[in-house]
Amino acid sequence: EVQLVESGGGFVQPGGSLRLSCAASGFTFSAYWMSWVRQTPGKGLEWVANIKPDGSEKYYLDSMKGRFTISRDNAKRSLYLQMNSLRAEDTAVYYCAGTGSSGRYYYFDYWGRGTLVTVSS
Amino acid sequence: DIQMTQSPSSLSASVGDRVTITCRASQNINNYLNWYEQKPGKAPKLLIYATSSLRSGVPSRFSGSGSGTDFTLTISSLQPEDLATYYCQQSYTQWTFGQGTKVEIK
Repeated sequence: EVQLVESGGGFVQPGGSLRLSCAASGFTFSAYWMSWVRQTPGKGLEWVANIKPDGSEKYYLDSMKGRFTISRDNAKRSLYLQMNSLRAEDTAVYYCAGTGSSGRYYYFDYWGRGTLVTVSS
Repeated sequence: DIQMTQSPSSLSASVGDRVTITCRASQNINNYLNWYEQKPGKAPKLLIYATSSLRSGVPSRFSGSGSGTDFTLTISSLQPEDLATYYCQQSYTQWTFGQGTKVEIK
């Protein structure tokens, strides 16, 4: 059974930092692109970043560049998101997503349950 | 950024009804269009990828069609367990989602 379990969410003040983690099991983690997707009541679902199976390529939503860093450790079957200079609008549930592909078509195949990040003073 | 606009924002239909949800992209995204279902309190779940490919294990009453900028998700015979919010998502560039369509059962 595929499992993605996020951790590291919590309450942080504006300007602060958090590191999210995602532990994967039940599929060949090292062969999958992986992504972070967040969800807010106001903006809905928003793709944040993704990373190639070997970690050599990373892509970000333009508004996240420079503040967020995605990384992975295939030996630990883990995905990470380092979030710096957090703003109130970063408040969201953050999902880890296994990103499947069929040729050039990519999609969020597996999802974790999410971890809540709250940015507030 | 490519904007994805879904319509309607919500709908109410009876069990057995045919339900159609549309998704329009602000520019041509070829067939780089996926559909997800999100039940209350749960993470989204992939239904359809590349416009019309049904994910393994998804009931055949779900189907997708379209090309270019206009796409459709159809539920051929609505079931009680289809109570959910449905989202389209483009994977052409700077991946973005539609705002969602909430489906309620009459």
